[in-house]
Amino acid sequence: EDKVVQSPLSLVVHEGDTVTLNCSYEVTNFRSLLWYKQEKKAPTFLFMLTSSGIEKKSGRLSSILDKKELFSILNITATQTGDSAVYLCAVGWAGNNRKLIWGLGTSLAVNP
Amino acid sequence: AAGVIQSPRHLIKEKRETATLKCYPIPRHDTVYWYQQGPGQDPQFLISFYEKMQSDKGSIPDRFSAQQFSDYHSELNMSSLELGDSALYFCASRQDIVTDTQYFGPGTRLTVL
Repeated sequence: EDKVVQSPLSLVVHEGDTVTLNCSYEVTNFRSLLWYKQEKKAPTFLFMLTSSGIEKKSGRLSSILDKKELFSILNITATQTGDSAVYLCAVGWAGNNRKLIWGLGTSLAVNP
Repeated sequence: AAGVIQSPRHLIKEKRETATLKCYPIPRHDTVYWYQQGPGQDPQFLISFYEKMQSDKGSIPDRFSAQQFSDYHSELNMSSLELGDSALYFCASRQDIVTDTQYFGPGTRLTVL
């Protein structure tokens, strides 16, 4: 059965800390891996990764994919309280319906 | 930039009533997904449409139905509502053959009393 596992489930840090969120997957017909940030509203898109070893970066956030070891990490440097959210990882399935297989998310709390 | 529009944003219904949720995808997006998200849960895929045809079906109850119209907007119809249907319902849209990225609407919060 296809699955996406995120760790840790929950994380509490202080402002200024650097955090690394993990996403591992076992998905047949892998196509892409996506990261979303969800505050108390809809998930907002962060990154889509399709190739191994190529880092994607947006401000203090960066992500990389390892298709050999079947995982991705999301790094957030110099965390701010506004980074507090649930970070969702999803894997795009290469079948006809292009569905996403979701992880349960990592809940990040950044304390001042 | 235009985003996914959902209406209504909040809806309160009683048990056994019906509800209709609407989703207007981003212009030129031809694929629509519906998700249900309970508190502390990841989004649960319900159903998707591509070019007005159902493309995939997830954990959508038989009491629910959905369709995509000629202008690509979609409606989720929910009948015989139960307390357990209380959740946040998201619609997401995507432009097929371009990307896997789904862009989410703000959601409809449904409360069943």
